[in-house]
Amino acid sequence: DAGVTQSPTHLIKTRGQQVTLRCSPISGHKSVSWYQQVLGQGPQFIFQYYEKEERGRGNFPDRFSARQFPNYSSELNVNALLLGDSALYLCASSLQGAYYEQYFGPGTRLTVT
Amino acid sequence: AQSVTQLDSQVPVFEEAPVELRCNYSSSVSVYLFWYVQYPNQGLQLLLKYLSGSTLVESINGFEAEFNKSQTSFHLRKPSVHISDTAEYFCAVSEEAAGNKLTFGGGTRVLVKP
Repeated sequence: DAGVTQSPTHLIKTRGQQVTLRCSPISGHKSVSWYQQVLGQGPQFIFQYYEKEERGRGNFPDRFSARQFPNYSSELNVNALLLGDSALYLCASSLQGAYYEQYFGPGTRLTVT
Repeated sequence: AQSVTQLDSQVPVFEEAPVELRCNYSSSVSVYLFWYVQYPNQGLQLLLKYLSGSTLVESINGFEAEFNKSQTSFHLRKPSVHISDTAEYFCAVSEEAAGNKLTFGGGTRVLVKP
């Protein structure tokens, strides 16, 4: 079975631009979560979606938004990019509930110049 | 609010020596505890987890972690490390009411030297 997939692998953007990152969960998983991992730090929770509804939001500005599609894939959008948005963006899929393991994709490396 | 502290940012260790990675958490409710490993340029992989029951949990590759509720700790240990264990290790917690949100520590980089 395929694991969590993310695209693109790498991305370079300029300050002020907008970016869209994509994630496909493991088959059967209806929950998708997004995390930001700045170099040298642990991942920080951005969003969780389950059954196309937002179920959790971390402490990130409104420039960050996401959505989940009927096939449970998800997109993370970041507007008005700042240098500080440079990070590895990780997507994780799971069954719903804190009890369940989350499976992480390889991430999208975003560099903002 | 929950928080996770990993007390050591880097741990150099010689091959075949033991290693312990420390993790302390802060939460007002019952939690589930996880250790994830991240190899260079890769995503996170689950190493082991504590959900309930026995406070000592083991992984298939020789790691073990012990949940200590009174000390709010979940330290990771391996009695004999290999070069291939060189990686970054993250402790994480989740709470029932918070759904699938994981709160991670800052990570501990393990460098195994020959």
